[in-house]
Amino acid sequence: QQPVQSPQAVILREGEDAVINCSSSKALYSVHWYRQKHGEAPVFLMILLKGGEQKGHEKISASFNEKKQQSSLYLTASQLSYSGTYFCGTVNTNAGKSTFGDGTTLTVKP
Amino acid sequence: DAGITQSPRHKVTETGTPVTLRCHQTENHRYMYWYRQDPGHGLRLIHYSYGVKDTDKGEVSDGYSVSRSKTEDFLLTLESATSSQTSVYFCAISPRDAYEQYFGPGTRLTVT
Repeated sequence: QQPVQSPQAVILREGEDAVINCSSSKALYSVHWYRQKHGEAPVFLMILLKGGEQKGHEKISASFNEKKQQSSLYLTASQLSYSGTYFCGTVNTNAGKSTFGDGTTLTVKP
Repeated sequence: DAGITQSPRHKVTETGTPVTLRCHQTENHRYMYWYRQDPGHGLRLIHYSYGVKDTDKGEVSDGYSVSRSKTEDFLLTLESATSSQTSVYFCAISPRDAYEQYFGPGTRLTVT
């Protein structure tokens, strides 16, 4: 079951904050976040695991609400380099495969 | 960056011809994946491998086959290419299943 991301697109000015949400209809084991720039491959940003283990990116944080089956990615004091499409990938069991959302396009303007 | 390459990077082929895409890694990761990405959409899993000669189907596996005879190589074959298989194909690797994935640069395939 594909996770649902919201919003689909967001436009910011440099220095503003953004939140991207990822929701699943099934219980989650892990959530991964990736950023993809146009014409390039997705790049791993953050993983959140059931039980709280987390690996992350230096200027981006995320939360994982197991009960609500949701994850949110927080980008603070956005920079031009944050522009791109953000994907969440969800895994429902510890032996499952990742299913990706359709992405959230973030545009940061000067 | 993870050592993962894909070849070819671009290919144009005709309907009905077989096509093989190669993914090569130098990280010795056990798990390898093939995805396709179409405009405005996320990544859809075609096939994956959890070890040499161990593969399984993903959500969009019809018309595709895979092989993995060595840890470092994962091949994706379109048995008889169709226009609906025009897409960007990404290979990914992971040290553990259900954990983070590292993507190759992608192959842009056009079927005419």
